Amino acid sequence: DSGVTQTPKHLITATGQRVTLRCSPRSGDLSVYWYQQSLDQGLQFLIQYYNGEERAKGNILERFSAQQFPDLHSELNLSSLELGDSALYFCASSDGPGGVGEKLFFGSGTQLSVL
Amino acid sequence: EDQVTQSPEALRLQEGESSSLNCSYTVSGLRGLFWYRQDPGKGPEFLFTLYSAGEEKEKERLKATLTKKESFLHITAPKPEDSATYLCAVQSSTGANNLFFGTGTRLTVIP
Repeated sequence: DSGVTQTPKHLITATGQRVTLRCSPRSGDLSVYWYQQSLDQGLQFLIQYYNGEERAKGNILERFSAQQFPDLHSELNLSSLELGDSALYFCASSDGPGGVGEKLFFGSGTQLSVL
Repeated sequence: EDQVTQSPEALRLQEGESSSLNCSYTVSGLRGLFWYRQDPGKGPEFLFTLYSAGEEKEKERLKATLTKKESFLHITAPKPEDSATYLCAVQSSTGANNLFFGTGTRLTVIP
């Protein structure tokens, strides 16, 4: 058990809908990262938050947004969902802002299916 | 642009049959190269971080090595419980703090 908690484990929804994925980082970790994993593309970095502030942005679509709250949990909001958004969404946490060699600890993911 | 290529995509080994997985990378200044293990339906689990060419790290039956262009994950006398997908990732000095992952090698160890 990595100590990173993601809910829900599975989410089934329809095209055009909006969903929210939730992540609680390991105790003491200040950074939260969101990754998307699809069968053909592997793990793709979406966004990082450090202590409530956006720290780095990857290939995150404009339809997607995230935030980190004062208690350090994070939410990833996906809107106007398309079939191609179906994927495993992982949250990871680390204790710092992303320094050299900083390890990421991953949650078990949320499997999103858009029908 | 950062690039990570892992080979082979899939590997089947008999129990006890040693082999190596390859990770070739191109980055603008390597800050660290990471190996993770991922079991089906679970998140990646950290194995090793390597920082400079010539560095080696070991954990049980696994040994990771690093050169200026690639990293190898050597698996000695594997057991069925070593079956998993092994992911390689790089952290570069381009400014982003995130890890850039390869697509992984799916290892199956047959009893």
